[in-house]
Amino acid sequence: EVQLVESGGGLVKPGGSLRLSCAASGFTFSSYSMNWVRQAPGKGLEWVSSISSSSSYIYYADSVKGRFTISRDNAKNSLYLQMNSLRAEDTAVYYCARDLDSIDVWGQGTTVTVSS
Amino acid sequence: EIVLTQSPDFQSVTPKEKVTITCRASQSIGSSLHWYQQKPDQSPKLLIKYASQSFSGVPSRFSGSGSGTDFTLTINSLEAEDAATYYCHQSSSLPYTFGQGTKLEIK
Repeated sequence: EVQLVESGGGLVKPGGSLRLSCAASGFTFSSYSMNWVRQAPGKGLEWVSSISSSSSYIYYADSVKGRFTISRDNAKNSLYLQMNSLRAEDTAVYYCARDLDSIDVWGQGTTVTVSS
Repeated sequence: EIVLTQSPDFQSVTPKEKVTITCRASQSIGSSLHWYQQKPDQSPKLLIKYASQSFSGVPSRFSGSGSGTDFTLTINSLEAEDAATYYCHQSSSLPYTFGQGTKLEIK
């Protein structure tokens, strides 16, 4: 079964840092680009970042550029999102998502709350 | 950035009714438009990819059409389990963007 499982969310103060992880299973992780997509409480979906299969290409939304870093470890079938200088507006459920041009597989999400 | 505008924002419908949701792109995106269904407290699920291709396992009552800037998701013979929020999404160019969502309520 194709599965993505996120972890690492939690409560953090403004200006703090958090590292999200996504464990992939059931498919050849190293063959796929991956994304992080977030959803603020009661709001719609917002693309955050993408990374190509070999990490050669990395892209960020303007809202997180310079603060967030996406990475992956194909040997561990894992995707990461290092989030620094967190703001209240970064509060959201963060989804790990497989990219096949369309986003065909989503994780269950991990919640990040930025509050003092 | 390509802006996707969905209409309507909300629709209250009865079972067995036919539903049409539209998604308009701010510039041409070819067929790089995908539709997702999200139920409360669940992650989104892919319904339709590349405007009109049904994703594996999706009921046949869901269909999509369109190209360029105007796209449609159609749900034939609505069922109670279709109560959800529906999003369109473009992968034509970065940054990837999503429509604001259309919430379907079943009467």
